Amino acid sequence: NAGVMQNPRHLVRRRGQEARLRCSPMKGHSHVYWYRQLPEEGLKFMVYLQKENIIDESGMPKERFSAEFPKEGPSILRIQQVVRGDSAAYFCASRTGISGNTIYFGEGSWLTVV
Amino acid sequence: AQTVTQSQPEMSVQEAETVTLSCTYDTSESDYYLFWYKQPPSRQMILVIRQEAYKQQNATENRFSVNFQKAAKSFSLKISDSQLGDAAMYFCAYRSADAGNMLTFGGGTRLMVKP
Repeated sequence: NAGVMQNPRHLVRRRGQEARLRCSPMKGHSHVYWYRQLPEEGLKFMVYLQKENIIDESGMPKERFSAEFPKEGPSILRIQQVVRGDSAAYFCASRTGISGNTIYFGEGSWLTVV
Repeated sequence: AQTVTQSQPEMSVQEAETVTLSCTYDTSESDYYLFWYKQPPSRQMILVIRQEAYKQQNATENRFSVNFQKAAKSFSLKISDSQLGDAAMYFCAYRSADAGNMLTFGGGTRLMVKP
């Protein structure tokens, strides 16, 4: 059973470009979370999704950021018109639909904006 | 909103010795989960140990154990017989038992292990 898969692992974008980060949850997991980790800081919650639904996006910046988790395929975190402050590690995590089950993390995607 | 505080930005321990990392949290809920995650230089988030708030018994995983004080809202991690591979960032995390279940993380403690 493969773990949470994220790609790309490393992404370099110029200011103003778009960044797309993908997350394939563990098999059987229908709940996905995205977290952002700025250098030397802890992980900050961004968004919580179930298949085809955004459940909680209270941690998402109001502009330029969006997330989806379609019925088929991976979850996507999209950052439009990236700025240097978007440089960070973005972690995806997933769990089953049973409340209380362990949340498993992917290895993260490192975005560098130059 | 829940908050998690780790008051020790850095800790150091001699190999084979014991170290305790502190964590406090603030919540009005009675049912929740607490976690310690390890983040080595590879940056992967690795679950170390988990505690359910309704359980009085402290969780233990091999050399890792916790001291869970629910009334004091304290959740410390003890690492016994420290090894070089234990060197990492350690994050304490809180998770509500209600719908949503997102994790709230503390700011982390960097653990250094001296040979």
